[in-house]
Amino acid sequence: GAVVSQHPSRVICKSGTSVKIECRSLDFQATTMFWYRQFPKQSLMLMATSNEGSKATYEQGVEKDKFLINHASLTLSTLTVTSAHPEDSSFYICSAPRREGWYEQFFGPGTRLTVL
Amino acid sequence: AQSVAQPEDQVNVAEGNPLTVKCTYSVSGNPYLFWYVQYPNRGLQFLLKYITGDNLVKGSYGFEAEFNKSQTSFHLKKPSALVSDSALYFCANTNAGKSTFGDGTTLTVKP
Repeated sequence: GAVVSQHPSRVICKSGTSVKIECRSLDFQATTMFWYRQFPKQSLMLMATSNEGSKATYEQGVEKDKFLINHASLTLSTLTVTSAHPEDSSFYICSAPRREGWYEQFFGPGTRLTVL
Repeated sequence: AQSVAQPEDQVNVAEGNPLTVKCTYSVSGNPYLFWYVQYPNRGLQFLLKYITGDNLVKGSYGFEAEFNKSQTSFHLKKPSALVSDSALYFCANTNAGKSTFGDGTTLTVKP
């Protein structure tokens, strides 16, 4: 099956710093990727849609200036949490659908961000 | 609008007993339904999906789910639970690549 990786798996940073999270599709190309965040013991909430070659589409309530998304290539999307605050601490998960079937997508293993 | 509901926050079963984790959906158009399992601090693991075809879907690790259009349900089942099945389970509907998740159900299987 298709594989999606994320890096880093865990990151701890100080308040006010920026953190970059990478999402890669390892064996298929993805013109679109999705970023989710998950608070402890809660569900996954879609943050934004990352589009290769164009601007990301953000869900309502998600600050685009705080969560910068860059879809640099057909296999890489990055999420940068800028000026991180403790309330940004969360589990961030990306996913990428197969191009030939939008209903089937593959999830990365997630990145645990802790902001001190 | 798409929504998925998992009415139970917690399901407790004894090892060896059958388990059911409930899911109902409300979607516009055809549903594309998935079940995932998540272990602590891990990503989502795919269990099974319903796209079209047979209403009874068999998936990984002995799990199965039945798509019921009239009841708009997609309950996850397993005939005999294992302690290692204890985890957080999510039901989801996917539309144009975007997934809408239920709130999750914590399954605890006791020896």
